Order: sequence, then C-alpha cells, then structure tokens
Amino acid sequence: KAGVTQTPRYLIKTRGQQVTLSCSPISGHRSVSWYQQTPGQGLQFLFEYFSETQRNKGNFPGRFSGRQFSNSRSEMNVSTLELGDSALYLCASSGGTTSQETQYFGPGTRLLVL
Amino acid sequence: AQKVTQAQTEISVVEKEDVTLDCVYETRDTTYYLFWYKQPPSGELVFLIRRNSFDEQNEISGRYSWNFQKSTSSFNFTITASQVVDSAVYFCALMEYGNKLVFGAGTILRVKS
Repeated sequence: KAGVTQTPRYLIKTRGQQVTLSCSPISGHRSVSWYQQTPGQGLQFLFEYFSETQRNKGNFPGRFSGRQFSNSRSEMNVSTLELGDSALYLCASSGGTTSQETQYFGPGTRLLVL
Repeated sequence: AQKVTQAQTEISVVEKEDVTLDCVYETRDTTYYLFWYKQPPSGELVFLIRRNSFDEQNEISGRYSWNFQKSTSSFNFTITASQVVDSAVYFCALMEYGNKLVFGAGTILRVKS
C-alpha cells in the first residue's frame, strides 16, 4: 500500500498570505490528523477529520482550518500567515473506525514564512 | 492533563553500543496508549511500537526492545548493537480517548561509526 502523501513538500510564503496544504491518506483510512512541528513548541496537534467532519481540535487560532473530502483526502488552510507559522506540517492517517488507533505519518510540508 | 517527558535531549553513542531512551508520562485515564516514533532527517515520523495501558508485557523485536512499567509511568525504548542508520530523533507519545497524540520533546540519537 502507498503511504501517506503530502503536497507540496516545500513552500515559501510572505506574511499576510494564506496557504493550503494537501494530504492523501493511506488507501482505506478514513481519519486524517494534522500536526505542527516547530523547534520551540515541538509537535502539536492541530485537528482531526473523519468522514468529512472535524472530530477533534487542538489549541490553535481560527486562522488554522481544515476540511476533508469524500475520498478522505484532507486540506489544511492557514490564513493571514505570521512568521511563527513557519514549521513542518505533518499529516497522519488511521483507519478511523475506532478511537486510539495507530497513526501513520506523511513526509510533511515545510512552510517558511518570510 | 496529559504530559510526556523525554529528559534526554541528545545521546551520542559509538556503533554497536546499546542505548536506552527514556520516557515518562502523566495521565489520569486508566485506558491509554503509548507509542514510539522515529524521525530521520527526511522529516517523516516512522511508527515503531504501540502499547496499551493494560498490556505491560515487554517485547523484543530484533535489535529493539521496550520496557513499559505502569508503576513508574515509564515507557523506555532500547536499541541493542546500535548502527549509524539508527541516528534520528525519537519521540515518545501518549494517546488517551480520541485520536490526539501528545508527544514528548524528542531525543536526538547520534550513532558514530
């Protein structure tokens, strides 16, 4: 089976712009979670989507949003980018039918905000 | 609140040495799951192992072994006969109800030839 894929792999934006990141889960997986990784804050949970609905949410401002499509692919959007949004954004997928399942991660998208 | 502590920021060993990565967690739940992930320089988090709170059986898988002790809230990970390819950042993570992982700060492992 193909693993989790994320596009783009690298992105450079300027402050105030918005950005959309994409994640395709492992075939058959219905849950997609997003995490932000920064040197200062480490790995932090953003949100989880299952069956096109946000099922869980971390402590991030409303500028961070996401959605999931009927084929389980997910997108994450960050509006009005700030310098502090520079990070590695990781997407993870799991089966989703039960809670507390193992999450498998993609290669991440490295976002640099100038 | 959940919390995962990896006290070792960085460990350097010479190839073929054994190395143990420590992980201590805090949770009020009786049902929870613990994980170890490896992050090589490429950035992708690679799943290594998952343990349920009600399964304290320790396991050995090749060069890897895990020691889960509920009495001390610890979930340590050992690599025997380390290799250069083991160099990476290792993360311990806790999951309570739901699919949210809480990660420790990570331990950088450097294996020198």
